[in-house]
Amino acid sequence: QSVLTQPPSVSAAPGQKVTISCSGSSSNIGNNYVSWYQQLPGTAPKLLIYENNKRPSGIPDRFSGSKSGTSATLGITGLQTGDEADYYCGTWDSSLSVVFGGGTKLTVL
Amino acid sequence: QVQLQESGPGLVKPSETLSLTCTVSGGSISSYYWSWIRQPAGKGLEWIGRIYTSGSTNYNPSLKSRVTMSVDTSKNQFSLKLSSVTAADTAVYYCASAQSGSYPGYYYYMDVWGKGTTVTVSS
Repeated sequence: QSVLTQPPSVSAAPGQKVTISCSGSSSNIGNNYVSWYQQLPGTAPKLLIYENNKRPSGIPDRFSGSKSGTSATLGITGLQTGDEADYYCGTWDSSLSVVFGGGTKLTVL
Repeated sequence: QVQLQESGPGLVKPSETLSLTCTVSGGSISSYYWSWIRQPAGKGLEWIGRIYTSGSTNYNPSLKSRVTMSVDTSKNQFSLKLSSVTAADTAVYYCASAQSGSYPGYYYYMDVWGKGTTVTVSS
């Protein structure tokens, strides 16, 4: 059971928009910044969003992040087949450790 | 751009100690946090812990009693030891560099990851 809660799967058609939610508590998301990671099949995770809504160099602006209270959301617009991957949210927790969501599998139909 | 490479035995016997090293290239290991994360096959990510180049550490509470991390700045390497392993410790193990700070609110995220190394616990 992961500390952060994500939907196991989401799907949408190419070109459409999808959002992935990440729910936590005041011990983690409520008081700290959220990051998002993309894991393509058979590869290591890659940083997608940091500090709630910032994108590292090279990440297209089709990817966006937001946070409200104890929840965060990853948005992906203009879906492409290459976006099919597992997505994880993560943040610092009052237990002095990083906690992750269980991951969300994105299928582009 | 910093690159990370995990190394260590791919097979460890039950009850023994898993030992992995992460070599940092393309940059200095100094003045950063370094993390270990693992992922059992078909499952999600689990953060194991972090070490600062001063040697300061934080570990996942669920693993704390079995984890030891160390850093060797002269070799640009940091290491993980996990004792008393069982089959449940079978996973892909990743090392990663991290950025951290506070505004207020604390941010800690892994910005560069190694490719991962598979460790199987079996007799």
